[in-house]
Amino acid sequence: QITLKESGPTLVKATQTLTLTCTLSGSSVSNSGVGVGWIRQSPGKALEWLAIIYWSDQEGYRPSLRTRLTIRKDTPRNQVVLTMINMDPLDTGTYYCVHIMGIQFFGTWGQGTQVIVSS
Amino acid sequence: QSALTQPRSVSGSPGQSVTISCTGSNSDVGSYRYVSWYQQYPGKAPKVVISDVSKRPSGVPDRFSGSKSGNTASLTISGLQTDDEADYYCCSYAGSHTWVFGGGTRLTVL
Repeated sequence: QITLKESGPTLVKATQTLTLTCTLSGSSVSNSGVGVGWIRQSPGKALEWLAIIYWSDQEGYRPSLRTRLTIRKDTPRNQVVLTMINMDPLDTGTYYCVHIMGIQFFGTWGQGTQVIVSS
Repeated sequence: QSALTQPRSVSGSPGQSVTISCTGSNSDVGSYRYVSWYQQYPGKAPKVVISDVSKRPSGVPDRFSGSKSGNTASLTISGLQTDDEADYYCCSYAGSHTWVFGGGTRLTVL
C-alpha cells in the first residue's frame, strides 16, 4: 500500500519561499515509472496541478507558475520536495502530494497540508 | 493551458443517472486517452473513480462509467445513491509532463 505524507509550514508571509516535503511509503521515488507530483486547492476552488518529477528525473511544471516552482527528489530519504518562491495570499490553500505510474492517473493522494499566506 | 470546462453543478434523484461533461481542446482531451475523473468529499482528498477515459480502478462501483468524443469527456453515474453527492473533477494529460484539471462539478442527490 502506497502512502504519501506532506509536511511543511502552515503559515508563510507574502514574498517568502514555501518548501513542502512529501514522504513516500510503499513505493520508491527511484522505481521505474514512478512519478510524484503536487496539486493544490484554494478554499472553495478547483484542483490545480502544479508540478511532477519522475524516477528518471524528468520534470513538468504548470506553465503559469514555471518561474516560481522547483521540484526535486531526495532519493535516500524517499522524498519529493516542492519549492515555491515569492508567495502571495492567492497561494493560500491545501497542497496535495500525489503518486502516479506513467502518465495515466493520480492513484494515490496524501491527506494534504494547509498553507496560509499572510500579507 | 486553460482549465477544462465542466458544469458547475448537476443534480439527480436516487436511482437516476447523471452525466457530467468535461470539455477541453486539441491540446489535452482531444489528443490523449489519459482522462481521469476524481471524486472529492468536503475536507477530504480526491479519489480516482475513472482512469484512461473509461477504466474503473479496483473498488469503484460499475455505476461509474466514462467516455470521450473529440475534445469532450463525460462521466456518467447511474443508479444514483446519496453517498455519490460530492464534487467531481476531470483531469487530462496535456503533453510534456503536464496535466490540466476541470473547474469541478458539484453533484447533488435530491
